[in-house]
Amino acid sequence: GNSVTQMEGPVTLSEEAFLTINCTYTATGYPSLFWYVQYPGEGLQLLLKATKADDKGSNKGFEATYRKETTSFHLEKGSVQVSDSAVYFCALRSDKFYFGSGTKLNVKP
Amino acid sequence: NAGVTQTPKFQVLKTGQSMTLQCAQDMNHEYMSWYRQDPGMGLRLIHYSVGAGITDQGEVPNGYNVSRSTTEDFPLRLLSAAPSQTSVYFCASSRLAGGGDTQYFGPGTRLTVL
Repeated sequence: GNSVTQMEGPVTLSEEAFLTINCTYTATGYPSLFWYVQYPGEGLQLLLKATKADDKGSNKGFEATYRKETTSFHLEKGSVQVSDSAVYFCALRSDKFYFGSGTKLNVKP
Repeated sequence: NAGVTQTPKFQVLKTGQSMTLQCAQDMNHEYMSWYRQDPGMGLRLIHYSVGAGITDQGEVPNGYNVSRSTTEDFPLRLLSAAPSQTSVYFCASSRLAGGGDTQYFGPGTRLTVL
């Protein structure tokens, strides 16, 4: 079956620190992979995506590379800001969308 | 282009009451879905639809009904509300064709069942 596993939070970092949020997946076939971000009181919005192996998605300084050999799609950012504080969801799309449980990021000034 | 809209934003029900959460999209998307979000549980799929007249169950369908009479609208009905249905509900839509197409989410409905 299809599933997504991401690291549990919360993750607390100081401003300008390096961020990694791990995401691994199980899927049949060749899914597309996504990272969504949810700010407090809002719905989810797309952060980045990758549609095939070795693709790198990037947006707003965030990056993730589709690694088929390790079935991973880890989210990284070189220097986080207070405004990046949010919940981040890893997801895959095959027949349907499958979401991880979310990782809350707190960035302190 | 309003995207995905949901009404109401907040709702309080008593146990046993019924209600309908409304969802509409103006992007002509074939695929629509309903999720519930509970603390520490991420998003769980309730029902989804791949086009008008076609619906299917997700991970947690019990206690909920859906219908899809038009491409634009996908209402979620709570038949007899229970406290376990207290949650935040999100509607989402996407194109059906093309695996790389993202889902667009509505702002959510926060439901409390007393």
